[in-house]
Amino acid sequence: DIVMTQSPDSLAVSLGERATINCKSSQSVLYKSNNKNYLAWYQQKPGQPPKLLIYWASIRESGVPDRFSGSGSGTDFTLTISSLQAEDVAVYYCHQQLTIPYTFGQGTNLEI
Amino acid sequence: QVQLQESGPGLVKPSETLSLTCSISGGSISSNYWTWIRQPPGKRLEWIGYMSPSGGTQYSPSLKSRVTISMGTSRTQFSLKVTSVTAADTAVYYCARISSIGGYNPALDLWGQGTLVTVS
Repeated sequence: DIVMTQSPDSLAVSLGERATINCKSSQSVLYKSNNKNYLAWYQQKPGQPPKLLIYWASIRESGVPDRFSGSGSGTDFTLTISSLQAEDVAVYYCHQQLTIPYTFGQGTNLEI
Repeated sequence: QVQLQESGPGLVKPSETLSLTCSISGGSISSNYWTWIRQPPGKRLEWIGYMSPSGGTQYSPSLKSRVTISMGTSRTQFSLKVTSVTAADTAVYYCARISSIGGYNPALDLWGQGTLVTVS
């Protein structure tokens, strides 16, 4: 299985400041057929299902604010929130959908 | 707008079978792959398996011997069965849609609200 490891487990950032969450996969999640990294980021607020933010490592899902951005390739990826808003308080998960079984990171709890 | 809703018993006895249904409103099974994910209390999300528009399936190897994902009684439902459950199967169960972009399937772009199933 591809193991997804996020860092840090928990993060506190001031409003308006930058938040950075890292995700490392135990194997490359680059699909050579289309040269895309099958790495997605989700946001989960209490009592809600996960919400897709970023797919293919850096493509923002429709409707997601542009303060969210994703970067990285191969095995190392980053989710950046450029200017933290109060509504961004949530747990963030990375997810690989290249190889079965699909796997998730352990989550990063983002607080103000 | 497509929406997903899970339904089924919230309490299942050990050794029995967990059965859930995902109802698709505003869409049908025909156009996407569909998946089940679970989240045990305090743990990370765990992928269970998926079903293709034609009904083909793939499962997590760790659950494969106990899990079946299949089409429901209509093209707007699919189901999950987990046999011989134990307390370790206690989790919030989500159904979700696998996105399709140019024939590729990069992520899970639509989720149900989730349903808590307790094995006790």
